[in-house]
Amino acid sequence: KAGVTQTPRYLIKTRGQQVTLSCSPISGHRSVSWYQQTPGQGLQFLFEYFSETQRNKGNFPGRFSGRQFSNSRSEMNVSTLELGDSALYLCASSLRAESPYEQYFGPGTRLTVT
Amino acid sequence: AQSVAQPEDQVNVAEGNPLTVKCTYSVSGNPYLFWYVQYPNRGLQFLLKYITGDNLVKGSYGFEAEFNKSQTSFHLKKPSALVSDSALYFCAVRDPNSGGYQKVTFGTGTKLQVIP
Repeated sequence: KAGVTQTPRYLIKTRGQQVTLSCSPISGHRSVSWYQQTPGQGLQFLFEYFSETQRNKGNFPGRFSGRQFSNSRSEMNVSTLELGDSALYLCASSLRAESPYEQYFGPGTRLTVT
Repeated sequence: AQSVAQPEDQVNVAEGNPLTVKCTYSVSGNPYLFWYVQYPNRGLQFLLKYITGDNLVKGSYGFEAEFNKSQTSFHLKKPSALVSDSALYFCAVRDPNSGGYQKVTFGTGTKLQVIP
């Protein structure tokens, strides 16, 4: 069974631009979560989607948004990029949104904002 | 609100020695607890989880973790460390009593360095 895939793997953008990241979950998984990972802040929860609906949201500004499609694939969008948005963005999928299901992570998208 | 603490940024251990990576948590009720490992330039991989039952949980690659409710801890252990265990380890918690769709909270991570 194929794992979680994320595209693109690397991205360089300039301040003020916007970016869209894509995530394809493991087949059969209906829950997708997004995280921002930085050396100083660790792993920060962005949002979680299940059945095309956002079920949980972290403490990020409205510039960060996401969506989930009927095939469970998910995208996240960051508008008006800032230097501080440079990070590794991780997508994780699980069977369902409710615990106690573990999450399976993709390799991440490394975003660099210059 | 739920939280997780990993008090050590880095743990160094000699190859062949036992290792422990510490994790403490705070939730309103009985938690669901997870350990993940991240190798360089890769995403996180699930190691093990505690849901209920036996306090000693066994997981992948010879790792195990002990749930201690009175100390609100969930330390990761391995009897004999390998150089290949060197990686970043994350503890995570989910509170099943918080209602609705509960988010997962991760610790800040502990870098494990196994010295040959």
